[in-house]
Amino acid sequence: EVQLVESGGGLVKPGGSLRLSCAASGFPFNTYTMNWVRQAPGKGLEWVSSISSRSSYTYHADSLKGRFTISRDNAKNSLYLQMNSLRVEDTAVYYCTRAPPYCSGGSCWDRWGQGTLVTVSS
Amino acid sequence: EIVLTQSPATLSLSPGERATLSCRASQSVSNSLVWYQQKSGQAPRLLIYDASNRATDIPARFSGSGSGTDFTLTISSLEPEDFAVYYCQQSSNWPLTFGGGTKVEIK
Repeated sequence: EVQLVESGGGLVKPGGSLRLSCAASGFPFNTYTMNWVRQAPGKGLEWVSSISSRSSYTYHADSLKGRFTISRDNAKNSLYLQMNSLRVEDTAVYYCTRAPPYCSGGSCWDRWGQGTLVTVSS
Repeated sequence: EIVLTQSPATLSLSPGERATLSCRASQSVSNSLVWYQQKSGQAPRLLIYDASNRATDIPARFSGSGSGTDFTLTISSLEPEDFAVYYCQQSSNWPLTFGGGTKVEIK
């Protein structure tokens, strides 16, 4: 069974940092493009970052302005999101997602974790 | 950045009725359009990719159509479990973007 389990969310003050993790199982992790998508409370979905199977390429939403970095460790079947200089508007549920082979360039997602809540507040 | 506009914002229908949801892109995305369903308190679920291809295990009552800038998600006969929020997403250009969502509610 495919599983994506996020962790690392919590309450952080503006300007602080957090590192989210996603533990993957049930599929050959090292062959899939992986991604982070977020959803602010009561709002819609927002793509955050993508990383190819061997970390050859990464993409980040322009709105993040270099504050977030996606990475992965294929030996540990894990995906990460390092978030720095956090702002109140970064408050959201962060989902780890998998891109199936039929989504070219990793641009759509067939498996989602349950999400981890990040709250940025003083 | 490609902007996706979904309409209507809310659709009030009864079980058994047909639902037609629209998604319009600010520029052509060819057929690179995806649909997701999200139920309250749950993660989204992939329904349709490449505008008209159903994802694994998605019932045949869900269908997608369109190309270029205008797309439609149709639910032929609403089941009780179909009342949810639906999002379109373009997979053509980075940054990947979503529409604002259409809520399908019980009338």
